[in-house]
Amino acid sequence: TQLLEQSPQFLSIQEGENLTVYCNSSSVFSSLQWYRQEPGEGPVLLVTVVTGGEVKKLKRLTFQFGDARKDSSLHITAAQPGDTGLYLCAGAPSGGSNYKLTFGKGTLLTVNP
Amino acid sequence: EADIYQTPRYLVIGTGKKITLECSQTMGHDKMYWYQQDPGMELHLIHYSYGVNSTEKGDLSSESTVSRIRTEHFPLTLESARPSHTSQYLCASSEWTVGASGNTIYFGEGSWLTVV
Repeated sequence: TQLLEQSPQFLSIQEGENLTVYCNSSSVFSSLQWYRQEPGEGPVLLVTVVTGGEVKKLKRLTFQFGDARKDSSLHITAAQPGDTGLYLCAGAPSGGSNYKLTFGKGTLLTVNP
Repeated sequence: EADIYQTPRYLVIGTGKKITLECSQTMGHDKMYWYQQDPGMELHLIHYSYGVNSTEKGDLSSESTVSRIRTEHFPLTLESARPSHTSQYLCASSEWTVGASGNTIYFGEGSWLTVV
């Protein structure tokens, strides 16, 4: 079973601060996705990273896929209250079925005004 | 914006009742999924479908069943609900296989089920 560990589990910061959350595994993934889930809603895909070492930027969000494709990080610059939510990473298995994404438990981010 | 809809959003039912959670998508996606998510826990895949008349069980064992008679419709049924079935159920769909570069998985808003 492939496991994804996300840290920290909870993060509460003030508006304007920078933050980084992590997604780690001992397994290799063919790709990794980041989602944001707001209370009472389903997850919404933010980005997919595929290549080891890949860096993708989405406005104030920067995503990086580890060289060995076992880990990823999400960095938010100048966080805003609208960034509040549960950030989930999910990995697609390397080999085998492509229908079974493995999800982490998420990082619950609160950005206070 | 995702065109995937789940009903009901919230449901409280008694033990032993039969319930069906509805999921519909208007994007013409072949791949559909059901995930179960408990508060503070990760999503677990319980069912998926490659297309019409194709269903498979996911990683997490579930007493629920699914059907895929039409591309756009993927209902989940519990024949006899128990308190242990209390959870959030999320339906999703995608055009291609998960993890494929450029593929997007669209989630519905979820169905919160409470069995008393």
